[in-house]
Amino acid sequence: ETGVTQTPRHLVMGMTNKKSLKCEQHLGHNAMYWYKQSAKKPLELMFVYSLEERVENNSVPSRFSPECPNSSHLFLHLHTLQPEDSALYLCASSLTGGGNTIYFGEGSWLTVV
Amino acid sequence: AQTVTQSQPEMSVQEAETVTLSCTYDTSESDYYLFWYKQPPSRQMILVIRQEAYKQQNATENRFSVNFQKAAKSFSLKISDSQLGDAAMYFCAYRSVSGTYKYIFGTGTRLKVLA
Repeated sequence: ETGVTQTPRHLVMGMTNKKSLKCEQHLGHNAMYWYKQSAKKPLELMFVYSLEERVENNSVPSRFSPECPNSSHLFLHLHTLQPEDSALYLCASSLTGGGNTIYFGEGSWLTVV
Repeated sequence: AQTVTQSQPEMSVQEAETVTLSCTYDTSESDYYLFWYKQPPSRQMILVIRQEAYKQQNATENRFSVNFQKAAKSFSLKISDSQLGDAAMYFCAYRSVSGTYKYIFGTGTRLKVLA
């Protein structure tokens, strides 16, 4: 039991496809995050939801669309992606407050062909 | 804006030896949190250790300890008695105590443990 579960673990999609990544946390947290991890780059924060409201959106292209229906679930809807979007997408959660530790899922490895 | 720098892309250590991973950061804030995260090949990133900037005492967690030098803005991780299971990517991270949810991560250091 990892506390933060992501599905699917691996996804291959064409540039015209529409797919979604799912994240679920079982830790009672009230903030959830999407990060993009590419080789040799720092983790890029994409979106943050706190109490189910989006509080940060770091200039992410509109082909990525997040959804947070409740405090335990987070989705990342994908459409018309580009090959450079291929990366590991990490979901994370935490309690709100500066000192609280962020907990990560195992990630969804996305390949755009 | 805050930045986190890990200048060592890759490090190697002999099993049972000690290794130190470097991290420097830049901030104008006086209070903040620093973290070291480990990402093994299975990809789940897990917390190794955290430090609160207002505490002068270096954090320790079993074989893992930090050397926190606030004036120098340095936050290195020491792993003692290295084990094969310590092989992973290690990320240094910074978080403000203010209302932001942003964790600033470094680019990571890949640690290899040699048997």
